[in-house]
Amino acid sequence: AQSVTQLGSHVSVSEGALVLLRCNYSSSVPPYLFWYVQYPNQGLQLLLKYTSAATLVKGINDFEAEFKKSETSFHLTKPSAHMSDAAEYFCAVGSGYSTLTFGKGTMLLVSP
Amino acid sequence: DVKVTQSSRYLVKRTGEKVFLECVQDMDHENMFWYRQDPGLGLRLIYFSYDVKMKEKGDIPEGYSVSREKKERFSLILESASTNQTSMYLCASSSPGSPPNTGELFFGEGSRLTVL
Repeated sequence: AQSVTQLGSHVSVSEGALVLLRCNYSSSVPPYLFWYVQYPNQGLQLLLKYTSAATLVKGINDFEAEFKKSETSFHLTKPSAHMSDAAEYFCAVGSGYSTLTFGKGTMLLVSP
Repeated sequence: DVKVTQSSRYLVKRTGEKVFLECVQDMDHENMFWYRQDPGLGLRLIYFSYDVKMKEKGDIPEGYSVSREKKERFSLILESASTNQTSMYLCASSSPGSPPNTGELFFGEGSRLTVL
């Protein structure tokens, strides 16, 4: 069985501030981990994914995430928030032989 | 540019009506998925398909059925719509990946269904 917990349904930051979105997972086998972003009135698009290569994964728009096995975490960060980053972010876990399980999402709010 | 197209962005139906949601992808992907998205619940998998004529139940299949007669098209059917099926429906496709289920999911823009 696998599951994902995203801490915080809403996160607010100021433009230029660090973005940190938290994701913890549970998986009985080595996981594959993903972050997807959903902009208003659009479908989801892939930000980045971890598939057992480097533990620090870089994605689009300067986002990155670090896989920490000991903490079962895959937190998403960005050094400096931009207004255009306002969106909903979803963490997802898969095992290669099961479909993805998505978290409940975190809405990122960016204020000027 | 890769594309997953959902036939209707907004639909309003009445309780008991039969509803068809259509999804077409142009990437020659083997895998196709239907998700339901509700505030505070994230995405929940309704049905998926790994090949033409094949279908598998996801986490919440009750009240839904699917059809995949052609590789590029995956339809979600609500046989008798109910108010609790008011939601955003997202279609996605992916290549199998290696190992399976590690390929990127490509999503359509969603179909917002309201059942009155």
